[in-house]
Amino acid sequence: DAKTTQPTSMDCAEGRAANLPCNHSTISGNEYVYWYRQIHSQGPQYIIHGLKNNETNEMASLIITEDRKSSTLILPHATLRDTAVYYCIVSHGGATNKLIFGTGTLLAVQP
Amino acid sequence: GAVVSQHPSWVICKSGTSVKIECRSLDFQATTMFWYRQFPKQSLMLMATSNEGSKATYEQGVEKDKFLINHASLTLSTLTVTSAHPEDSSFYICSARDYTNTGELFFGEGSRLTVL
Repeated sequence: DAKTTQPTSMDCAEGRAANLPCNHSTISGNEYVYWYRQIHSQGPQYIIHGLKNNETNEMASLIITEDRKSSTLILPHATLRDTAVYYCIVSHGGATNKLIFGTGTLLAVQP
Repeated sequence: GAVVSQHPSWVICKSGTSVKIECRSLDFQATTMFWYRQFPKQSLMLMATSNEGSKATYEQGVEKDKFLINHASLTLSTLTVTSAHPEDSSFYICSARDYTNTGELFFGEGSRLTVL
């Protein structure tokens, strides 16, 4: 599976949009981009995933560049409860395909 | 949405004893489940892939005789830490994906093991 690169940490003001970048320059054509987050001492929580097109759900938006070598997760109105480690992972889809976690980005939402 | 449940949430045991952690998919069937381990301030590390009705596939460096995995049904996988030692103290997390779904992987709440 392709490797990802994320900033170690980011700050965001409460109520503002949080934009979390991820580089995945070696992604292959059939690999998806997944985003998960982990709040302290809990299991990871699914946020969103996509293949080529931009995606939006009730939690976030995912913007994937046209060459698919990078993506940005957008939390439109960050709250204190969004403080967590955010992981960007690329992987093939399918029930048996595993997700390999990198180091992620610690997002600290400031009041 | 789909839910994965782990039990126990936390466990304390004496060195040398064995501990079993259960992972259940509550509203979907999972032919494959994944077990991760996480040490403090570190990322999740994949330990093994649990396959229903067959042997688990272990990642490099993970001792299969130390971490026994059984996936006897489409909704239950168990991880047994045998002869646990203090260095096995960690946060163990399981995950599963609906076998008909190519989308998200659902994670359990995690099980914190402390070996005294």
